[in-house]
Amino acid sequence: AQSVTQLGSHVSVSEGALVLLRCNYSSSVPPYLFWYVQYPNQGLQLLLKYTSAATLVKGINGFEAEFKKSETSFHLTKPSAHMSDAAEYFCAVSGVDDYKLSFGAGTTVTVRA
Amino acid sequence: DAGVTQSPTHLIKTRGQQVTLRCSPKSGHDTVSWYQQALGQGPQFIFQYYEEEERQRGNFPDRFSGHQFPNYSSELNVNALLLGDSALYLCASSFEGYQETQYFGPGTRLLVL
Repeated sequence: AQSVTQLGSHVSVSEGALVLLRCNYSSSVPPYLFWYVQYPNQGLQLLLKYTSAATLVKGINGFEAEFKKSETSFHLTKPSAHMSDAAEYFCAVSGVDDYKLSFGAGTTVTVRA
Repeated sequence: DAGVTQSPTHLIKTRGQQVTLRCSPKSGHDTVSWYQQALGQGPQFIFQYYEEEERQRGNFPDRFSGHQFPNYSSELNVNALLLGDSALYLCASSFEGYQETQYFGPGTRLLVL
């Protein structure tokens, strides 16, 4: 069964600083990996997805993530944080023959002015 | 292009009651998945419907049931509500050919008293 672990439940960054959110996956076969963002009192918005086409995946709002098979990681980064990036971020995994998404516990990002 | 819509937005019930939540998928999508997100946690997969059949189910009791209609919209029913059923219920839709990419609605916030 696929699963993901998000390291760090809270991350605080200064505006303009690098945002780094960590996600490690557990899967017996190459998975599909996703990052979603959830703003307060809203549903989840897809930031980006990895489906084996390229290891560096670019998403919306300046975010990108790199798939590293040797480290079983799929960390999310953004070079320069903006106040609007304050939200909760979820890493998720899905197998090729598994229809469900399995989510991590989430990482809350706060951005300091 | 309408995204995924859910109704109602909020709901308050008492223990033992039954509740029905509704979801309309994004235009062009034929698959609907339901997730439960407890406060401070990541979403947990309840089940997925495709071609009006439950295709996959997560680790939820039979009190949770669903239905998909010919127009691809879906309902989630929960019987004999427990306090622990209080959560945000998220609907996600996808297209069978790209089943791994799921788009989420804003959710229904259920409070059980």
